[in-house]
Amino acid sequence: GNSVTQMEGPVTLSEEAFLTINCTYTATGYPSLFWYVQYPGEGLQLLLKATKADDKGSNKGFEATYRKETTSFHLEKGSVQVSDSAVYFCALSDRGGGFKTIFGAGTRLFVKA
Amino acid sequence: DAGVIQSPRHEVTEMGQEVTLRCKPISGHDYLFWYRQTMMRGLELLIYFNNNVPIDDSGMPEDRFSAKMPNASFSTLKIQPSEPRDSAVYFCASSFIPGELFFGEGSRLTVL
Repeated sequence: GNSVTQMEGPVTLSEEAFLTINCTYTATGYPSLFWYVQYPGEGLQLLLKATKADDKGSNKGFEATYRKETTSFHLEKGSVQVSDSAVYFCALSDRGGGFKTIFGAGTRLFVKA
Repeated sequence: DAGVIQSPRHEVTEMGQEVTLRCKPISGHDYLFWYRQTMMRGLELLIYFNNNVPIDDSGMPEDRFSAKMPNASFSTLKIQPSEPRDSAVYFCASSFIPGELFFGEGSRLTVL
């Protein structure tokens, strides 16, 4: 079945540091890939997406590239801010899985001023 | 649009009681999902609907859990009888593009 694996947290960075959160996936078909963000006390929000191989999703300075050859979708940001502190979830959805959306375990990010 | 609306936001109940969580999806969305979030197990998909029809309920923990979607604008998740291990945050989400989910703010359930 489909699955998503992401790096364990927490990740602690200083402001303006470079961020990478690793995500790999297993899917029987050709999934769409997503990153979601969850701030304390809130539901998840879609951050960015990519629907096919080599697509790059980007939003609010975050970006991720769909790498079919390595089955990966790593999240990156060049300069993090304190306000980026949150939990980040990698997710996939595909026709072969009936379009149900599967999430990774989440990675908590702390950014220090 | 008001977004996905869940109620109640917080529920504290005693073991053995019935719990009903409610969700109003965004108008026009034809997929509705129920997730449960805990520290130990993360975000688990319990069940999802397409056009009000349950598609996959394989994540429902056991027969104590049931979910319905009587129309396009309303869904319920019921736990009867509730147990302390059901304590979690329950999220409802809706979408019309597969994978692009809009989440409610969640219902935090505590079973004593």
